[in-house]
Amino acid sequence: GAGVSQTPSNKVTEKGKYVELRCDPISGHTALYWYRQSLGQGPEFLIYFQGTGAADDSGLPNDRFFAVRPEGSVSTLKIQRTERGDSAVYLCASSLNLGDTQYFGPGTRLTVL
Amino acid sequence: AQTVTQSQPEMSVQEAETVTLSCTYDTSESDYYLFWYKQPPSRQMILVIRQEAYKQQNATENRFSVNFQKAAKSFSLKISDSQLGDAAMYFCAGSGAGSYQLTFGKGTKLSVIP
Repeated sequence: GAGVSQTPSNKVTEKGKYVELRCDPISGHTALYWYRQSLGQGPEFLIYFQGTGAADDSGLPNDRFFAVRPEGSVSTLKIQRTERGDSAVYLCASSLNLGDTQYFGPGTRLTVL
Repeated sequence: AQTVTQSQPEMSVQEAETVTLSCTYDTSESDYYLFWYKQPPSRQMILVIRQEAYKQQNATENRFSVNFQKAAKSFSLKISDSQLGDAAMYFCAGSGAGSYQLTFGKGTKLSVIP
């Protein structure tokens, strides 16, 4: 079956702009996770959802970052007033239920000029 | 809270040989899980192996096995009969039983020499 998909694959934007990154989890997976991977580092947790609700958003760096999952499937990570330091690969993962193995998508590489 | 440390930024292995990647961790939780993920240049993180902390038996998956030393908080990955396709970044990660976020190490870049 299809794995986790993320769009766009690459996104280039200018400082101060707004961006949206999309994640389509594996069909039937109830839990969805967002991570950010800076160059040369391991991924860092941002937020995860169980169903439609954000179960833990403690990793979001500040209030410019927001994520939604309105129907319990697709999720969108939204970044307002982008800064150059937001440049990174944003990874999405899903699991059948919370605590199950997380399966990752290919990521979106965000570049803020 | 968890911390995960990978002290080997780069490793290399001859094709068909065996290599061991090191990982140490620290956690305040009594129940937790440990993982090794592989990230090729395509960026997609692929699960290699998973270990539940309450299980004493080391996990194995074909050519991949772990040496889980709970008291020493060590979780190393052994790759046997290395293949060219094994070349990638390898990340050690952990999660608590009640906290589902993964905490990753900085990774080890593995090169396989033909």
